[in-house]
Amino acid sequence: DAGVIQSPRHEVTEMGQEVTLRCKLISGHNSLFWYRQTMMRGLELLIYFNNNVPIDDSGMPEDRFSAKMPNASFSTLKIQPSEPRDSAVYFCASSQILGQGNYGYTFGSGTRLTVV
Amino acid sequence: KNEVEQSPQNLTAQEGEFITINCSYSVGISALHWLQQHPGGGIVSLFMLSSGKKKHGRLIATINIQEKHSSLHITASHPRDSAVYICAVRSKEYGNKLVFGAGTILRVKS
Repeated sequence: DAGVIQSPRHEVTEMGQEVTLRCKLISGHNSLFWYRQTMMRGLELLIYFNNNVPIDDSGMPEDRFSAKMPNASFSTLKIQPSEPRDSAVYFCASSQILGQGNYGYTFGSGTRLTVV
Repeated sequence: KNEVEQSPQNLTAQEGEFITINCSYSVGISALHWLQQHPGGGIVSLFMLSSGKKKHGRLIATINIQEKHSSLHITASHPRDSAVYICAVRSKEYGNKLVFGAGTILRVKS
């Protein structure tokens, strides 16, 4: 199993541009989580999906952020328009739904986003 | 008060020392995770516990459900163990998401 795969690993973009981060889940996992990590705030949950359905998006900072899960194995996090304060490392993680089996949690390698 | 409290926040040790990092939580949990993150690196899940004790190499994790407390031990510490160690819990109270402690920054000097 290749694990949770995120792309790109690094992204540098200019303020105002659209940014799309991608995540491929581990086969058999049915929960998908997007996290943001900064020095100031640590790890923050942005949104998570169970069975492709968004369950909790209360962590999404603004309408500029949107996340989709078009199928059971893939998700995107989009920022439009991007701002310098969006600079952070964005992690995707997957697991099985609580109560449905193994609670193992696997993180992707992260996307380091820099908005200049 | 945070739902997940870790101590210490920072820890410096000499190579070879035995290290303990503690985690206390305030809700009933389904599972507790210990995560490791090296500087500039990704997040690795070291252990997932719902009871008892687990061992992997020089790492040992224990949990006491009644006391709502978990410890991560590192035996014969090495400079490559230097990282941030994060305790996180999953609870029905929080839905399916992880709730994180603030992390412990460990530095092992040679």
